[in-house]
Amino acid sequence: KNQVEQSPQSLIILEGKNCTLQCNYTVSPFSNLRWYKQDTGRGPVSLTIMTFSENTKSNGRYTATLDADTKQSSLHITASQLSDSASYICVVSPTSGAGSYQLTFGKGTKLSVIP
Amino acid sequence: EAGVAQSPRYKIIEKRQSVAFWCNPISGHATLYWYQQILGQGPKLLIQFQNNGVVDDSQLPKDRFSAERLKGVDSTLKIQPAKLEDSAVYLCASSPSPQGGDTQYFGPGTRLTVL
Repeated sequence: KNQVEQSPQSLIILEGKNCTLQCNYTVSPFSNLRWYKQDTGRGPVSLTIMTFSENTKSNGRYTATLDADTKQSSLHITASQLSDSASYICVVSPTSGAGSYQLTFGKGTKLSVIP
Repeated sequence: EAGVAQSPRYKIIEKRQSVAFWCNPISGHATLYWYQQILGQGPKLLIQFQNNGVVDDSQLPKDRFSAERLKGVDSTLKIQPAKLEDSAVYLCASSPSPQGGDTQYFGPGTRLTVL
């Protein structure tokens, strides 16, 4: 069964600090992995997307890494800001061809950045 | 570029009542998705449309849920009759590719509370 496990479930950090969120997946065959940011009361917004051949992808203060061998990904947030407070969802795509895209979503990590 | 629009944003109904949600995807996007997101969980795909045809509705509870995408643009999702466990946020997303699998752009969601 395809699964995506995220840790920690929740995290509180001080403004300006760095943090790393983890994602482990068992989806196979693997096509790509995305990290989404979901603000409270909003829909998810894509931060990064990586294929199995990519090791790292950056988007401003967000850097995602991928180890396709161990099926692990991480999202590192540098110099956190209050606006980073949100849920971060890891999403894995099991297919790369046409047809249904049963994306497998993690439950998310709820990040709170406090002053 | 306008994003994915959804309405209403909030809805409160009693069990056994009916409810309908509306989604207007990003102009030109061929693929439209409806997701159910229960509090504390990642989104779960209910149905995927390619233009106005259904690609995947394997997780749609067809005894009470129905969806349509007339003319391959707007879409409606209906629940009839609603149950307590239907309380969730219903997210609509769209993506440009007819094959799906590319980045999905999410709307703000409709928060449904069933009493």
